[in-house]
Amino acid sequence: GAVVSQHPSRVICKSGTSVKIECRSLDFQATTMFWYRQFPKKSLMLMATSNEGSKATYEQGVEKDKFLINHASLTLSTLTVTSAHPEDSSFYICSASSQGVFSDGYTFGSGTRLTVV
Amino acid sequence: QQQVKQSPQSLIVQKGGIPIINCAYENTAFDYFPWYQQFPGKGPALLIAIRPDVSEKKEGRFTISFNKSAKQFSLHIMDSQPGDSATYFCAATAGNQFYFGTGTSLTVIP
Repeated sequence: GAVVSQHPSRVICKSGTSVKIECRSLDFQATTMFWYRQFPKKSLMLMATSNEGSKATYEQGVEKDKFLINHASLTLSTLTVTSAHPEDSSFYICSASSQGVFSDGYTFGSGTRLTVV
Repeated sequence: QQQVKQSPQSLIVQKGGIPIINCAYENTAFDYFPWYQQFPGKGPALLIAIRPDVSEKKEGRFTISFNKSAKQFSLHIMDSQPGDSATYFCAATAGNQFYFGTGTSLTVIP
C-alpha cells in the first residue's frame, strides 16, 4: 500500500533556531500533502495544504512566515519551523494523497515530535 | 465549529468486549467516512472507511455502521484485544475538505 515517510521522528532544538521536517511519498506521487499539528490527547489540527509546484494554503491562525512549507516535487514536502520557540513544541504529522481528493484516502506519516528548549 | 462530533472521549472495556465509538456530522456534502487508529507517538493509520451509499462495512473485527438519515456513523470492534488499545479518530471528507473527530481513547483490559 501507499507509504509516507516522515523524518525526523524526533528532534530537539534550541529556541531561536529553525527545524526542517520532511515528508516523502515512497511509492506514489503525491500532488497534495497536508501538514497537521497535534497536541497531547487532542485531535489533529490542519495547518496547511501543500500542492506540488504552488504555494501552500494555510489555515486561519497559522503563521505562514513561521511555518514554511515547500512542495518542490511530487514525492517531497517539507515543513520548516523558523525561529522556533517552546510553544512550537508539538507533534507534527503529514499526510499525502495521489489524487488530491480525500475520498481516495490519505496516508499519514509517522509524525515528528518537536521539542524546543 | 466542530464539523464531526465524536463520542465518547474515552472508553474502557474488558478483553473480548465490543467497544462502540460514535460520530455525527451535519454537512450532507461529506461523501467518505474513514476511521483512523493512532498509537502513542505514531501517525494515524487508516483502519476502515465507508461511503454513504452503504449502511455497513466489515473488515476483520472492525465494523462501520452508517445511518445516512441520522447523519451518524459508528465503529464497532468485535472481540476487542489489549492490542486494540489506542486512540481512534473518525473523519469525514468532501473533495479537499477533511475533518477529524476529537478522538476516543480506548483501553482494553486483559
